[in-house]
Amino acid sequence: QQQVRQSSQSLTVWEGETAILNCSYENSAFDYFPWYQQFPGEGPALLIAIRSVSDKKEDGRFTIFFNKREKNLSLHIKDSQPGDSATYFCAASANGGNNKLTFGQGTVLSVIP
Amino acid sequence: NSKVIQTPRYLVKGQGQKAKMRCIPEKGHPVVFWYQQNKNNEFKFLINFQNQEVLQQIDMTEKRFSAECPSNSPCSLEIQSSEAGDSALYLCASSGGQNTEVFFGKGTRLTVV
Repeated sequence: QQQVRQSSQSLTVWEGETAILNCSYENSAFDYFPWYQQFPGEGPALLIAIRSVSDKKEDGRFTIFFNKREKNLSLHIKDSQPGDSATYFCAASANGGNNKLTFGQGTVLSVIP
Repeated sequence: NSKVIQTPRYLVKGQGQKAKMRCIPEKGHPVVFWYQQNKNNEFKFLINFQNQEVLQQIDMTEKRFSAECPSNSPCSLEIQSSEAGDSALYLCASSGGQNTEVFFGKGTRLTVV
């Protein structure tokens, strides 16, 4: 049972466009949702995160939109750059779960110059 | 930038051999996690510690791995008898505690030949 699901395995956008990566979850106890960016040969790097009490979190070109009722969220990358080409993982953890993260399958983003 | 240090970056072992990898968590982080990321990018939680105590581990870890996080020494994860299916990226992560961000190291790439 996939508790965190990313709807696209891959996404291709042109430079300057907004990339939208979608994620959904099943466990109502999840209340913390980080997104990680991973380049080949590297570990995942924390990009931005949101808690379930909020419906939006913005950090520079990166914005998370969160819908608790629908149990889904999305990561918007504005003005995409070729350097944003990487694999993006949506993750979730539950309060009281010792921060143990459950990951989605990842979305490979390609930004074409 | 993550300050979680993992060594070695690459490890090649024969089947049946022991494979040991180490992790220095970010300074001041009492919680340490180990995850396995396979070639399909799937993450598997292995074990986590708070200070030197195991919080949670999966069955495979308990049966085939040896892990510890001694005070004033790097944490370690050791496969007692490597199998081909253990070939993966082993990721160490640390956090400041409940409801805080989780930061990953660059990982140890294990290849079992």
